[in-house]
Amino acid sequence: NAGVTQTPKFQVLKTGQSMTLQCAQDMNHEYMSWYRQDPGMGLRLIHYSVGAGITDQGEVPNGYNVSRSTTEDFPLRLLSAAPSQTSVYFCASSLPGATGDGYTFGSGTRLTVV
Amino acid sequence: DQQVKQNSPSLSVQEGRISILNCDYTNSMFDYFLWYKKYPAEGPTFLISISSIKDKNEDGRFTVFLNKSAKHLSLHIVPSQPGDSAVYFCAVHLGNQFYFGTGTSLTVIP
Repeated sequence: NAGVTQTPKFQVLKTGQSMTLQCAQDMNHEYMSWYRQDPGMGLRLIHYSVGAGITDQGEVPNGYNVSRSTTEDFPLRLLSAAPSQTSVYFCASSLPGATGDGYTFGSGTRLTVV
Repeated sequence: DQQVKQNSPSLSVQEGRISILNCDYTNSMFDYFLWYKKYPAEGPTFLISISSIKDKNEDGRFTVFLNKSAKHLSLHIVPSQPGDSAVYFCAVHLGNQFYFGTGTSLTVIP
């Protein structure tokens, strides 16, 4: 099925471990973003990309790295996980200028850092 | 500073009645306003939007109202159905970014 695919769906990490959350879309969307959802905080933008090779920081970028080598993939890297990064992470994509339709979201990755 | 606020964390409504979800924003430069619906263990899905040049947009049972002078956005669901029970996020757009509210959990009671 077409859409945004996130892997893994669940992950438990120990403090200080590193990992990469994967995100892939097959809709040829140029815009891709990573959000985290925390109770009482809504969805907060971590990093976003407007095309291959172009990334920028969002509201809460600290502790996360991204790269965009292809249109399809936008991985999110945690270099040294901290308990404050326990959250649900959503990847989203859209066509440029698709402001009226917003984003297509993946189903999320639930990350727990112990 | 939070760009978008949803001051009601939860709302309960009887089936068949109207559900009204509210959202306040801070920046008059936002050009699009959207509502998303989210079920547990799923990603948010787009519901309805409105551009800043309009004050109302309808799509079936869903209507979004925009009051630019008050910087206020609302979503009306009529009639409400049990399947509408979900968390609703409002979102605003500026430049390359969407900013989301904290969400309102709607429960429609059969």
